[in-house]
Amino acid sequence: LAKTTQPISMDSYEGQEVNITCSHNNIATNDYITWYQQFPSQGPRFIIQGYKTKVTNEVASLFIPADRKSSTLSLPRVSLSDTAVYYCLGEDSNYQLIWGAGTKLIIKP
Amino acid sequence: DGGITQSPKYLFRKEGQNVTLSCEQNLNHDAMYWYRQDPGQGLRLIYYSQIVNDFQKGDIAEGYSVSREKKESFPLTVTSAQKNPTAFYLCASNEGVLGNQPQHFGDGTRLSIL
Repeated sequence: LAKTTQPISMDSYEGQEVNITCSHNNIATNDYITWYQQFPSQGPRFIIQGYKTKVTNEVASLFIPADRKSSTLSLPRVSLSDTAVYYCLGEDSNYQLIWGAGTKLIIKP
Repeated sequence: DGGITQSPKYLFRKEGQNVTLSCEQNLNHDAMYWYRQDPGQGLRLIYYSQIVNDFQKGDIAEGYSVSREKKESFPLTVTSAQKNPTAFYLCASNEGVLGNQPQHFGDGTRLSIL
């Protein structure tokens, strides 16, 4: 049974780099791993998506090892506005979406 | 601006009543989804549709119904059979093929029991 596991919460400080890791066993070998950000009372917003190795965009980087059993979202130089819940999403071999339970990230001044 | 519109933002349901949540998208996306989110928890898939006039049950479809008569619209009905409907409901869409394309979300409808 495919499952994604994330830390429930994390704290950091402004200006620091934050890494959030999601463990995902039994996800499909040929599908993307996607990360979303959610603020209270809003819908999640897409951050980044990758298949393997490293992907970088203007807001984050995503590291996926060759075995694809985990992925790490990296947020460089976080600010207070990065306080949110972060979700990872994969897909199993039956094309079922597998959402993580979310990591609540709190950034302190 | 293209996007997803959910309405109403807040909704109250009486015991034994069916209520319908609206979701409209102007992104020309083929696929649409409904999720339920309970306080402090992740997203659970209720129903999804990959094409007009077709939809599939998600993980927690019992007590819910949907229709997809138009590409841009995917309303969700919370029936009286759903005994614990209080939650935050999110609608999303993408270009299709489930997880491969990023999903675009609306800003949700918060449903409460009177």
